Amino acid sequence: AQTVTQSQPEMSVQEAETVTLSCTYDTSESDYYLFWYKQPPSRQMILVIRQEAYKQQNATENRFSVNFQKAAKSFSLKISDSQLGDAAMYFCAYRVGGAQKLVFGQGTRLTINP
Amino acid sequence: DAGVIQSPRHEVTEMGQEVTLRCKPISGHDYLFWYRQTMMRGLELLIYFNNNVPIDDSGMPEDRFSAKMPNASFSTLKIQPSEPRDSAVYFCASSSPTGVQPQHFGDGTRLSIL
Repeated sequence: AQTVTQSQPEMSVQEAETVTLSCTYDTSESDYYLFWYKQPPSRQMILVIRQEAYKQQNATENRFSVNFQKAAKSFSLKISDSQLGDAAMYFCAYRVGGAQKLVFGQGTRLTINP
Repeated sequence: DAGVIQSPRHEVTEMGQEVTLRCKPISGHDYLFWYRQTMMRGLELLIYFNNNVPIDDSGMPEDRFSAKMPNASFSTLKIQPSEPRDSAVYFCASSSPTGVQPQHFGDGTRLSIL
């Protein structure tokens, strides 16, 4: 069974600094997708970034980027120039290509210190 | 475009009562998902539909839970009778099937069973 592990229950960073959230996954599939979702206190689930496994290039969305290491089954999220609005729970998620079920990690709570 | 719309946003009811949660997916999305989020278990997929047909209900905790999708624009999750351990945030999400399209989440319903 596919599993997603986020080993950092909590992280904190100073405003304007850079922080990296870790995610590893276990799969025997070769075709899959990876996602990071953000859940602020308002409890919305907001897509931050996505990555196709067949793409070697790491996805980037403004201040958010990933470090996708397929062989190591690692998918970390880097947030540059952290802002107070980045404070949230961050969930890593995995989906097999052609399937629809998302498997979520347990989440990392990110605190931004002013 | 409107996102996934869930109602109610909050629900407080007494044990034993019937609870109905509602969801309107994004127009054109073929897949609809119901999740439950708790501190202890994180995000759990309860059931998902494709073209209004239930595909996988293996996450539905017990017979007290039922879900329907009578048409492409409406789904319900019903709990009867409700119990205090059903207290959680329930999310509905929808997606289109192509490629790396992510699931789009509603704002969730916070359910409290007294």
